[in-house]
Amino acid sequence: EDQVTQSPEALRLQEGESSSLNCSYTVSGLRGLFWYRQDPGKGPEFLFTLYSAGEEKEKERLKATLTKKESFLHITAPKPEDSATYLCAVPEETSGSRLTFGEGTQLTVNP
Amino acid sequence: NAGVMQNPRHLVRRRGQEARLRCSPMKGHSHVYWYRQLPEEGLKFMVYLQKENIIDESGMPKERFSAEFPKEGPSILRIQQVVRGDSAAYFCASSPTPNQPQHFGDGTRLSIL
Repeated sequence: EDQVTQSPEALRLQEGESSSLNCSYTVSGLRGLFWYRQDPGKGPEFLFTLYSAGEEKEKERLKATLTKKESFLHITAPKPEDSATYLCAVPEETSGSRLTFGEGTQLTVNP
Repeated sequence: NAGVMQNPRHLVRRRGQEARLRCSPMKGHSHVYWYRQLPEEGLKFMVYLQKENIIDESGMPKERFSAEFPKEGPSILRIQQVVRGDSAAYFCASSPTPNQPQHFGDGTRLSIL
């Protein structure tokens, strides 16, 4: 069974203080890894897809990287508006349809 | 360029009643997925549908829950004889093909009195 574990569960940063979130996964055959952002009362918002080890994607202050066993979401010089829960997910091996989500990292950026 | 639309946003039911949750996928998306988020828990897959077909319902409880995605109209998640434990946020997602990123609606928050 696919497993996705995210750490830390919660992270508090000061504005401008860079850090990284971790997503480790156990899947038989990786068909990609997705990062989402979820704000309170909203649905997950798609951020990135990573397909192979060594791949990197960037969007504003966020950069996602992938190794064979884990992915990192690096946040550079965060702002208060980056506060949210960040989720990673992997698709089910055979059909690629069913996503298994981690529990998420709740990020708070203080001004 | 509307995203995934879910309604109602909030739904209150008494124990034993039926709940119907609707989802209209993004334009051009024919693959629909339902997930449930229980309080203080992560998102869990329930069911995957294409037009008029259930492809994977491995995450859906065998009793009281059903889903459909008719040829015309939105996808419907139906919960019969609701119980307190059904209280959760139910999210719908859609994608153009099964291997592409899923885009989510803002969910229906179901409360059972």
